[in-house]
Amino acid sequence: QVQLQESGPGLVKPSQTLSLTCTVSGDSISGGGYFWSWIRQNPEMGLEWIGYIYYSGNTYYNPYLQGRATMSRDTSKNQFSLRLSSVGAADTAVYYCARGGDAYGDFDYWGQGSLVTVSP
Amino acid sequence: DIQMTQSPSSLPASVGDRVTITCRASQSISNHLNWYQHKPGKAPKLLIYGASSLQTEVPSRFSGSGSGTDFALTISSLQPDDFATYYCQQSHSTFYTFGQGTKVEIK
Repeated sequence: QVQLQESGPGLVKPSQTLSLTCTVSGDSISGGGYFWSWIRQNPEMGLEWIGYIYYSGNTYYNPYLQGRATMSRDTSKNQFSLRLSSVGAADTAVYYCARGGDAYGDFDYWGQGSLVTVSP
Repeated sequence: DIQMTQSPSSLPASVGDRVTITCRASQSISNHLNWYQHKPGKAPKLLIYGASSLQTEVPSRFSGSGSGTDFALTISSLQPDDFATYYCQQSHSTFYTFGQGTKVEIK
């Protein structure tokens, strides 16, 4: 059974960098056929896809984040991470990590979500 | 980017009702459409992928249809566990986008 678990600070100050890590069990993030994504949800934007890191290590991001998002991975720990710079109140959201399938672009496994609040 | 528009936003319904949620894409996305169920405090759950394929272990009362720009999720007989918010998501473009959600609530 594939499981994902988000971890990271729940409170970030405006203009600082949000950092989250997703720990994966039951699958290898460097195995083929899947990509690993961050998705967030807030009342204003609904569900918003942030980006993904492919099993090869390639990354792709939501262009509306204007270059603020960076994803990386640690294959030895089977973890992937998100850094979102210059955060503001609009970045307050529940952040999910999820596994996406190559064939249909569907997200079949998700973490439970991590609430991040941007506040002084 | 491809805009996804769901209707209705809110759907009051009773146990046993047949429920249909629609999702329209701003351009043709072939069958690159997925549906999710989301309950507060829980991870979203994949229901349907490829517009009409039922995800493993999802009850058969859920079905998906459509192609091109117009899609539907149907629950044939609403059960108590089905009161939740439902989202569509397109995967035609690598810039994945979701609908705004449809909340199925108790009438």
